[in-house]
Amino acid sequence: ILNVEQSPQSLHVQEGDSTNFTCSFPSSNFYALHWYRWETAKSPEALFVMTLNGDEKKKGRISATLNTKEGYSYLYIKGSQPEDSATYLCAPSAGGYQKVTFGTGTKLQVIP
Amino acid sequence: DSGVTQTPKHLITATGQRVTLRCSPRSGDLSVYWYQQSLDQGLQFLIQYYNGEERAKGNILERFSAQQFPDLHSELNLSSLELGDSALYFCASSVDGFNEQFFGPGTRLTVL
Repeated sequence: ILNVEQSPQSLHVQEGDSTNFTCSFPSSNFYALHWYRWETAKSPEALFVMTLNGDEKKKGRISATLNTKEGYSYLYIKGSQPEDSATYLCAPSAGGYQKVTFGTGTKLQVIP
Repeated sequence: DSGVTQTPKHLITATGQRVTLRCSPRSGDLSVYWYQQSLDQGLQFLIQYYNGEERAKGNILERFSAQQFPDLHSELNLSSLELGDSALYFCASSVDGFNEQFFGPGTRLTVL
């Protein structure tokens, strides 16, 4: 089981603000890093899968970067909207197969 | 709709009983994962199957077992149930066991 830390635990931002969160994980034996978005009363939904050091992925106003050497990933949201309110989970995997460990998430609330 | 189905949606049972949760992956996905989310806890990885074979194991209790059948659906069996087993159980699937996971709607288990 990997030690995964996400910060901050929760965040309130005004509509239109940009924000970012951090996911820290052990860099040894790294395989992949997943980001998921989890809205209340729904199921987690995949945002990105990242594998290579220096990877950058983008989906609309959301983007993510990956540093496998130092063991962290950043998730950025540009111009936050109320519909971005959700818990954002990162999930690194290590080893030959995808033994996934989910972080406890960053809960984002965007205030209109 | 992720394409992953889980039945039943809700299950209420008594301590000491045994239940079976069922998951049908998205069409074409070979890998199935099971997760447990207890109250105020994050997603805990239980077990992963790929094309009928167990691939990775997480914090799955000995009272719990799972299998993936030739038609790729999976069942999670929980026996000798305890109050602490009350949780939301998610199933997820992915095409190859490495890429993004698609989550089902979950089964809410309540043990009284």
